Amino acid sequence: GAVVSQHPSRVICKSGTSVKIECRSLDFQATTMFWYRQFPKQSLMLMATSNEGSKATYEQGVEKDKFLINHASLTLSTLTVTSAHPEDSSFYICSARDGVANYGYTFGSGTRLTVV
Amino acid sequence: DAKTTQPPSMDCAEGRAANLPCNHSTISGNEYVYWYRQIHSQGPQYIIHGLKNNETNEMASLIITEDRKSSTLILPHATLRDTAVYYCIVRVATSGTYKYIFGTGTRLKVLA
Repeated sequence: GAVVSQHPSRVICKSGTSVKIECRSLDFQATTMFWYRQFPKQSLMLMATSNEGSKATYEQGVEKDKFLINHASLTLSTLTVTSAHPEDSSFYICSARDGVANYGYTFGSGTRLTVV
Repeated sequence: DAKTTQPPSMDCAEGRAANLPCNHSTISGNEYVYWYRQIHSQGPQYIIHGLKNNETNEMASLIITEDRKSSTLILPHATLRDTAVYYCIVRVATSGTYKYIFGTGTRLKVLA
């Protein structure tokens, strides 16, 4: 089945620095990927839709200048958390859809970001 | 703007069937219902999806009511490994693609 790889799985960074998270579709091409954020004991919240070769579409309330998304190829989308603060500490998850397969979107294993 | 509602938690005895309900009363005629589960600190895992007919695969069965306003995910013989948060999702069409809006999910605990 389709595999989505996310890297890194865990990252700790200092307040004020930027962190980049990668999301790769390993065995299929994905023109669209999605980025979610999940706080402890809460559900996944959709942050943005990443479109290959064009600008990302952000959900209401998500700061596009803080969460930079780049989808430069059909197999890679990146999320950069800029000027990170402790309140940005969260579990970030990406997903993508294999257009050929008859099942839903495949999710990455997530990235645990801790800002200290 | 979640389009689904689920009970927050359920318990199920190991080996018994787990029946997880979901209400999606505002679902549109061409919107699919998807079920995923999330084991602690992992990404969600696809289980099953359907439009209006009942569906079955190696993991579970999905029963959708005739009016499509609710559905039930059935794990026929729950095991301890099935302990997870189960999400019922209605896929929402947007700008040429579809996105998932997650509800709060049901935390299923399978008891030995």
